[in-house]
Amino acid sequence: DAGVTQSPTHLIKTRGQQVTLRCSPKSGHDTVSWYQQALGQGPQFIFQYYEEEERQRGNFPDRFSGHQFPNYSSELNVNALLLGDSALYLCASSRIRDDEKLFFGSGTQLSVL
Amino acid sequence: GQNIDQPTEMTATEGAIVQINCTYQTSGFNGLFWYQQHAGEAPTFLSYNVLDGLEEKGRFSSFLSRSKGYSYLLLKELQMKDSASYLCAVRDGGFQKLVFGTGTRLLVSP
Repeated sequence: DAGVTQSPTHLIKTRGQQVTLRCSPKSGHDTVSWYQQALGQGPQFIFQYYEEEERQRGNFPDRFSGHQFPNYSSELNVNALLLGDSALYLCASSRIRDDEKLFFGSGTQLSVL
Repeated sequence: GQNIDQPTEMTATEGAIVQINCTYQTSGFNGLFWYQQHAGEAPTFLSYNVLDGLEEKGRFSSFLSRSKGYSYLLLKELQMKDSASYLCAVRDGGFQKLVFGTGTRLLVSP
């Protein structure tokens, strides 16, 4: 049983570019959330998707957007990249009725030059 | 506002016991989580407390006092592989919105 899988594992972009990160939730999970983790910090909540809709959002600008597909997989899009967007982006999944068990993927390390 | 405090770094020796404290002030509370994160890896779930008291799971125990806004993670019989960051997180409201502390880096030495 595969856990939460994310792609790519590493990515290098330049300022102003756009990036798309992908996440496949753990089998049986229907809810996906995204977190940003800067070096030496704890993860920060970006947003959560359930039934293909954004349900909650953290304090992130509109440059951060997402999508959930019918198969529950999800994408995180970041437009107009800034140097400060360099971080580890983590995807987490759970079942909506059992959401104390939140499982994280290994993340995508994004470097913006 | 949201504030979660935990020590930045702790050291301990193999076989010992260590307690990592976490205090929190959040606008909402719907459970407290502890995660372990090795460098470059995903955070892995350790424990979840929603009611006051102690939850024990093998070598790991977690305690919660909601009235004091306080939790601790207790690690017994420390092993070298326990060297990692330990993240305290509060669920603010429903769903998956967790507010994390900055993490405590634990170094276990022989």
